[in-house]
Amino acid sequence: QSALTQPRSVSGSPGQSVTISCTGTSSDVGGYNYVSWYQQHPGKAPKLMIYDVSKRPSGVPDRFSGSKSGNTASLTISGLQAEDEADYYCCSYAGSYVFGTGTKVTVL
Amino acid sequence: QVQLVESGGGLVKPGGSLRLSCAASGFTFSDYYMSWIRQAPGKGLEWVSYISSSGSTIYYADSVKGRFTISRDNAKNSLYLQMNSLRAEDTAVYYCARDSALYSSSWFISPWGQGTLVTVSS
Repeated sequence: QSALTQPRSVSGSPGQSVTISCTGTSSDVGGYNYVSWYQQHPGKAPKLMIYDVSKRPSGVPDRFSGSKSGNTASLTISGLQAEDEADYYCCSYAGSYVFGTGTKVTVL
Repeated sequence: QVQLVESGGGLVKPGGSLRLSCAASGFTFSDYYMSWIRQAPGKGLEWVSYISSSGSTIYYADSVKGRFTISRDNAKNSLYLQMNSLRAEDTAVYYCARDSALYSSSWFISPWGQGTLVTVSS
C-alpha cells in the first residue's frame, strides 16, 4: 500500500485553528472508518490522538477533532497551544495499516 | 499502567540478523493484537507487522515480507521480531505497540513503547 498523503507542514498562531488533511483511496481511508491520528514530539514515541475517524481517547483535549469525507480524513486542532507543536501522522487500517507521510505543525 | 519495553537493537552488518523483543506489562497481553512499527532517521512512520492475540493471524508489510518474522509468547507477555537478511534501508527505530483488542470493532495502535534503534551498516 502507498503512504497516505499529508501536507508537509501547517502553522498557526496560538488560539487559532489548523486542519491537517490525509488523502488515501477508496481501498483504505474511503473504505473503512478506521482512521487514527498520532502526535509525535521530537525524540518521543507517537501518541494516539484520534481513532475511528472522530473518537478521542480519554485524556486527549477536546481541542482535537477528526472527520472524514470520501477518501480524505482531517484532523483539526482548535485553540492552538504551544505544546501542540509536533509531527502528526494519520493512519488507516484496511486489513493492514498504512500511515500518512506526516505533517509538522508549527505554532507561530 | 501499560508499559512496553523494547530491547535487542544495535549495529548489524548488511545481510545479518537481529532479534527484537518487547516486554509488556499492565494489561492482559493475550487479549490484544500487537504490532511493530518503524521510523527511519528523520523519516515518517512505517507499519511493519502485526500478530493476533493467539498468534494465528500475522500480516507483514511488503518491504519486510520473507525476511522478518513476528511472534509472541503469551506466557511471558512478550513480543518478538526476528529480522534476517537486513539491509541498509532497514535502519530505523523499531517501536512495539499494542494493537486492537480481541473482539474489538476498532483498529488503532496504542500505546507505543519508546523504541529500539537498529542500524544496518558495514
